[in-house]
Amino acid sequence: EPEVTQTPSHQVTQMGQEVILRCVPISNHLYFYWYRQILGQKVEFLVSFYNNEISEKSEIFDDQFSVERPDGSNFTLKIRSTKLEDSAMYFCASIGGQGRGEKLFFGSGTQLSVL
Amino acid sequence: SQQGEEDPQALSIQEGENATMNCSYKTSINNLQWYRQNSGRGLVHLILIRSNEREKHSGRLRVTLDTSKKSSSLLITASRAADTASYFCATVTIQGAQKLVFGQGTRLTINP
Repeated sequence: EPEVTQTPSHQVTQMGQEVILRCVPISNHLYFYWYRQILGQKVEFLVSFYNNEISEKSEIFDDQFSVERPDGSNFTLKIRSTKLEDSAMYFCASIGGQGRGEKLFFGSGTQLSVL
Repeated sequence: SQQGEEDPQALSIQEGENATMNCSYKTSINNLQWYRQNSGRGLVHLILIRSNEREKHSGRLRVTLDTSKKSSSLLITASRAADTASYFCATVTIQGAQKLVFGQGTRLTINP
């Protein structure tokens, strides 16, 4: 089965530093997502992206966050100035062209630790 | 409370027994999905049930959906130690952006 790949699997950074989390969604998918999961908590929606623009974002996704699809394959999440509370597992996901009513394919996540 | 709340939060049973997890939600949905997460790992899609479906099976999994009660259940029959994981329900609403809203999850432990 096709996979969503995420790199790196672990990222350690100092508070205030910028981080970029990378994702390669499944090649023919059109909808892309970032979710995060703080340790022991539920998976939270951050942002959805379709047709080269953000279609929805949550309250968590403030001005410190941005997403980009710089080419036909990568989908990135940038955190401009990391805070301690940004420490979490970040999941990228994608969905096929039919959109609503289909399952999401998740990557295996990037564990971000902000020190 | 939030869309997609699982019950119980934790469940511990003996291998071979059936495990039932429940999920409640608040808004009208297009579909409801169940995912599994092994400790510290990614989310694996298990099964999707659409709003016009009442029951669905996949191997040892059985999912029911009651839209009048806004609830769903996931049954794992003949549980195995390898089923130990967290299970999340997630809903896709009818309107608004196409996204999943996850519940808190049920931590399932299968004792050998």
